[in-house]
Amino acid sequence: IQLTQSPSSLSASVGDRVTITCRASQGISSHLAWYQQEPGKAPKLLIYATSTLQSGVPSRFSGSASETDFTLTISSLQPEDFATYYCQQLRSYPPTFGPGTKVDVK
Amino acid sequence: QVQLRESGPGLVKPSETLSLTCTVSGGSINSGGYYWCWIRQRPGKGLEWIGYIYYNGNTYFNPSLKSRLSMSIDASKNQYSLRLNSVTAADTAVYYCARDLNYADYAGLFDSWGQGILVTVSS
Repeated sequence: IQLTQSPSSLSASVGDRVTITCRASQGISSHLAWYQQEPGKAPKLLIYATSTLQSGVPSRFSGSASETDFTLTISSLQPEDFATYYCQQLRSYPPTFGPGTKVDVK
Repeated sequence: QVQLRESGPGLVKPSETLSLTCTVSGGSINSGGYYWCWIRQRPGKGLEWIGYIYYNGNTYFNPSLKSRLSMSIDASKNQYSLRLNSVTAADTAVYYCARDLNYADYAGLFDSWGQGILVTVSS
């Protein structure tokens, strides 16, 4: 299952609302997760099952879906949120990841 | 809080075997029904799932790597290992070990990760 993400990168300011989209090459139901990766660090699980927040993840992160598109929203961007975000399908093996969306400082 | 840490050589010659070990602390590798995984990230690229091993030794590998791959588990040391043979420059990557929650019918839900280890394939 192939995943595409848009945009591939975006520039934003602290306090901005940020939206990242992920699309799967075939139906994956609600089986999608989002990860955050800071430079030089391992990815961190943010959301799974499209919209379930992993324990400890701030509530400014949310996930949703509309038909074939999945969306990660950061309601008010914080300094620690500048990172790369990956979606991952949980529908079937092998699990696959999107190419990533880099969020940097405007 | 479970922690994972990768160890192994940072440099491997082409055609040789890449061997890495993941040491798990803060929890037993035998408990919880988790899958113990390897994931890699080539320079400037995205993430690629390599495979998993279960506490009983059962494995499942990415078809793209299956022919060159083996994994083992040593519960007495709370460790599991990866061996990838016949490596080429295309295998140069940061290799992560990670815990898969094996939750519901989800294929790969990785809640804990090691810090990653860069392995370079070069003569």
